[in-house]
Amino acid sequence: DAGVIQSPRHEVTEMGQEVTLRCKPISGHNSLFWYRQTMMRGLELLIYFNNNVPIDDSGMPEDRFSAKMPNASFSTLKIQPSEPRDSAVYFCASSEMANGYEQYFGPGTRLTVT
Amino acid sequence: AQTVTQSQPEMSVQEAETVTLSCTYDTSESDYYLFWYKQPPSRQMILVIRQEAYKQQNATENRFSVNFQKAAKSFSLKISDSQLGDAAMYFCAYRSPYGGATNKLIFGTGTLLAVQP
Repeated sequence: DAGVIQSPRHEVTEMGQEVTLRCKPISGHNSLFWYRQTMMRGLELLIYFNNNVPIDDSGMPEDRFSAKMPNASFSTLKIQPSEPRDSAVYFCASSEMANGYEQYFGPGTRLTVT
Repeated sequence: AQTVTQSQPEMSVQEAETVTLSCTYDTSESDYYLFWYKQPPSRQMILVIRQEAYKQQNATENRFSVNFQKAAKSFSLKISDSQLGDAAMYFCAYRSPYGGATNKLIFGTGTLLAVQP
């Protein structure tokens, strides 16, 4: 099992640029989660999909953030335009059942916005 | 709303010794899941152990075990025979058993564990 795959692992961009983070969940998992980790706020959920449908996006900070899951094996998190305060580690996680099973995390993408 | 509190920002243990990391939580739900995740310097989030609230028996995974006190809303992690590879940030997390908007993990602020050789 390849685990959750995220790309890129590191991203450095300038303020105002568009950033796209990618995630491939574990095959067979039907729930996908995007988390953000910062020193100030710790780990927080941004958005959660179940069967490719967004269920809870209350954690998305503002309209500059958007997420899609066009199929069961791929999701993107886009920031447009990016700002320095978006600098963080972004994790994707997946789970087998919405109500039952533990979430498995990808290696994360470290985003730096200068 | 549920909250998770880890009151020990940092802990240290000698190799081969035992250490206990504390976690308390607040919830009005009677059923839920609790987890401990490990985050080494590689920043990968690794699931260490899981506990279902309806189970009275404490979960155990090799050298890792929990002390789950439901009435006290306490969920501590015990690491026995500590190894250098156990050095990491440890996060306690809560999850409601229900679907929909409550399916997210709620994390504590973490405890940084150092293992001294």
